Amino acid sequence: QKEVEQDPGPLSVPEGAIVSLNCTYSNSAFQYFMWYRQYSRKGPELLMYTYSSGNKEDGRFTAQVDKSSKYISLFIRDSQPSDSATYLCAMVVDSWGKLQFGAGTQVVVTP
Amino acid sequence: AAGVIQSPRHLIKEKRETATLKCYPIPRHDTVYWYQQGPGQDPQFLISFYEKMQSDKGSIPDRFSAQQFSDYHSELNMSSLELGDSALYFCASSSSDRNEQFFGPGTRLTVL
Repeated sequence: QKEVEQDPGPLSVPEGAIVSLNCTYSNSAFQYFMWYRQYSRKGPELLMYTYSSGNKEDGRFTAQVDKSSKYISLFIRDSQPSDSATYLCAMVVDSWGKLQFGAGTQVVVTP
Repeated sequence: AAGVIQSPRHLIKEKRETATLKCYPIPRHDTVYWYQQGPGQDPQFLISFYEKMQSDKGSIPDRFSAQQFSDYHSELNMSSLELGDSALYFCASSSSDRNEQFFGPGTRLTVL
């Protein structure tokens, strides 16, 4: 079993809907969490960085962390076709900052 | 804002050849990470450097080596290339006082 689990999708939503993404993890030592957006054959783009339980909002994006359940989520409001991409959760797994990624969820927003 | 720069963006090599990938981190970032991403896979950590010293090592083949120079840029050297080395190679950088990692556009390596 991988330390970070993420449903690969694809997840298809109509334009304007809320996109809901999540990851679970098994190691309670993980303290820092990130969400990246990756377009095909491009570099991952950092969307959100969180390190405490609760919600963090940035524009149309909300990141949620529940350390007691080892569960993190990313919500995208008012989704646009340009949000169609693969979304990767990532966790810092050691003191040097090494990241462990989830498998990535492919999101398709249809006009 | 300045981003991570990687060169070359595309590289085609034959089996058993060598390749050198370069990474220029965001200014004032002191930590560099290298990741490998195969088709349809998530990025896998290879190696990292902090203040020009190797700080961590992942699943990096012995045929690969890397270093960070005095200007903080980093190079990944890959020898005896194999077909399975074909992948996207990303460099990421961060500041040591924060864990956020910012990725470059990647180098697409194709081994024929």
